[in-house]
Amino acid sequence: SQKIEQNSEALNIQEGKTATLTCNYTNYSPAYLQWYRQDPGRGPVFLLLIRENEKEKRKERLKVTFDTTLKQSLFHITASQPADSATYLCALERYGGSQGNLIFGKGTKLSVKP
Amino acid sequence: DTAVSQTPKYLVTQMGNDKSIKCEQNLGHDTMYWYKQDSKKFLKIMFSYNNKELIINETVPNRFSPKSPDKAHLNLHINSLELGDSAVYFCASSQGRQGNTEAFFGQGTRLTVV
Repeated sequence: SQKIEQNSEALNIQEGKTATLTCNYTNYSPAYLQWYRQDPGRGPVFLLLIRENEKEKRKERLKVTFDTTLKQSLFHITASQPADSATYLCALERYGGSQGNLIFGKGTKLSVKP
Repeated sequence: DTAVSQTPKYLVTQMGNDKSIKCEQNLGHDTMYWYKQDSKKFLKIMFSYNNKELIINETVPNRFSPKSPDKAHLNLHINSLELGDSAVYFCASSQGRQGNTEAFFGQGTRLTVV
């Protein structure tokens, strides 16, 4: 079955630095990969989607890469701020017929210190 | 205007009881999901419904029964609650089509079985 691994359970960085989070997957290569943010006591919130034919996607201070050879996605937050502290989840689309659903990694808890 | 709303937010109940969690989405999405997030924060899919039809049932005990009266609602009924059912349950919705599974999550229902 499909496995998704987010290498670090927790990542602590200093404000202003770039945070880099890793997501690795096994078995089949998904056509799409997504990243979500989850704050304590809240549901996950969608951030970015990247397609297999896209090497990189950006949104403001966020950047996602997708390497289908390495079966890996990297999620970067540049110029990090304490407000970026949260758990970040990667998710793969899986299909039953034409319908998709998301399989999530366990998440990486990011703490940005002032 | 809440996109995905689930009630109640907190639910404390005794072992052996039967309880329901309600979910409604006003996004016009075709697909709705139930996810369980355990104490280790792992978000695991339980069920997926598309236009009121069950698409995915991920090895969930028979005590859990989803009900979808229409495509905007997906309720979760749990019979004979056990201590191990304690978790946060998230409802979510998406378009469900390939490449378009960006999911919108509810605020979660924290279920505590005592």
